Parts: sequence; C-alpha cells; structure tokens
Amino acid sequence: AQSVTQPDIHITVSEGASLELRCNYSYGATPYLFWYVQSPGQGLQLLLKYFSGDTLVQGIKGFEAEFKRSQSSFNLRKPSVHWSDAAEYFCAVGGSARQLTFGSGTQLTVLP
Amino acid sequence: IAGITQAPTSQILAAGRRMTLRCTQDMRHNAMYWYRQDLGLGLRLIHYSNTAGTTGKGEVPDGYSVSRANTDDFPLTLASAVPSQTSVYFCASSERGDYNEQFFGPGTRLTVL
Repeated sequence: AQSVTQPDIHITVSEGASLELRCNYSYGATPYLFWYVQSPGQGLQLLLKYFSGDTLVQGIKGFEAEFKRSQSSFNLRKPSVHWSDAAEYFCAVGGSARQLTFGSGTQLTVLP
Repeated sequence: IAGITQAPTSQILAAGRRMTLRCTQDMRHNAMYWYRQDLGLGLRLIHYSNTAGTTGKGEVPDGYSVSRANTDDFPLTLASAVPSQTSVYFCASSERGDYNEQFFGPGTRLTVL
C-alpha cells in the first residue's frame, strides 16, 4: 500500500526567507507525486507534479520540488516566501489504481 | 467553465438524519472521488468512481454511499448521520489516463449534532 509522511505539522518562516517542506513516500514502483496547496476555506489547488523524467520539477507561484528516489522524498522548495504563501500544503502519491494518498499536511505561517 | 461545484456550502444536521452532498463537474472527467478532511489527518478517500456506472470503496467508506448514474454527477449520501461524520467534504475528478492528477471542488462543511 502507498503512504505519505509529512513530518512537519507546522512551519513558520519570515517573508523573503527560503522554504523547504518535507515529504516522504512509500510505494513499490515509480510513483506519481503531487503537491497541493489549500488556502483557508478553499479547495485544493495543484502546485506541481512529477510523473517521470527530470527529477526537478517547476510549479506555479515559484515553487519547485525534487524527486529523490534513493531517499523516497519529494520535498517542496521556494527561494523567497511571500506573505500570500501562508496556507496548508499537502503532498500526495498516486499509483496504478488512479487513487491518491495524501499526507497529513504542513501548515505554513509567514511572518512579516 | 465552472469545474467542480459542490452543494451545499455548509450544513448543520441533526444526528440520525439523512443527507446528500451534491457534486457536479463539467470537465467530462471519467473518474470522481469523495474525500473527507479532518484536522491532523489530511484527506481520506471515502468512495470513488472510475467511470459512470461503477463505484468503489476508499479508505473510510462506512456510513456513506455513492452513485454514479452519469458522467457529471457523483452524490454522496449519509443514510443516518452521526457526530463523527462532522468534517469538510471534498469532491474531486480526474481524466482517464491523466496520471492521477485530480481537480477539487470548494468543499462542503458538515456539522452533525
């Protein structure tokens, strides 16, 4: 069975600082990996996805993520955080059944 | 294009009552999903449908039922609501062969008293 772990429940960074959100997955084959963002009271919006090929993927809003097979990780990064990035971030893994398994989420707070 | 719509936006319900959450998509996606979101647990899959006329159970199906009479609609029914079903419910859809990428509705906040 596939699973996702987001070890950080809550992260606080200052505006302009760099950001890295951690995600570790468990899946027997090459996974499909996703990062979603959820602003308060909203649904989930896709930030980026990894299917195959280049292990560094670019997403919307200046986010990127790197797939590291040896570490079973798919960490999300942003070089300079903006106040509008404050939200909850979910990592998800997809397998052959076209179903997604989500992590428990990381809440990001941005200090002015 | 609206994408996915859900109704109602929020609802307070007495325990034991029957409730149907509605979900409609206009993207002609084959697969649809229902999740519940609870604090600290992320999103958990309740039921899914890979194509019209078929449904399947997810991680937490007990107390819920779904139907998929056509491509666009995927209602979720709570036959007899209980307080533990208080949650935010999200409907999602994905296109066949689209590597699982899912598109989400705005959610329904349900409180069962």
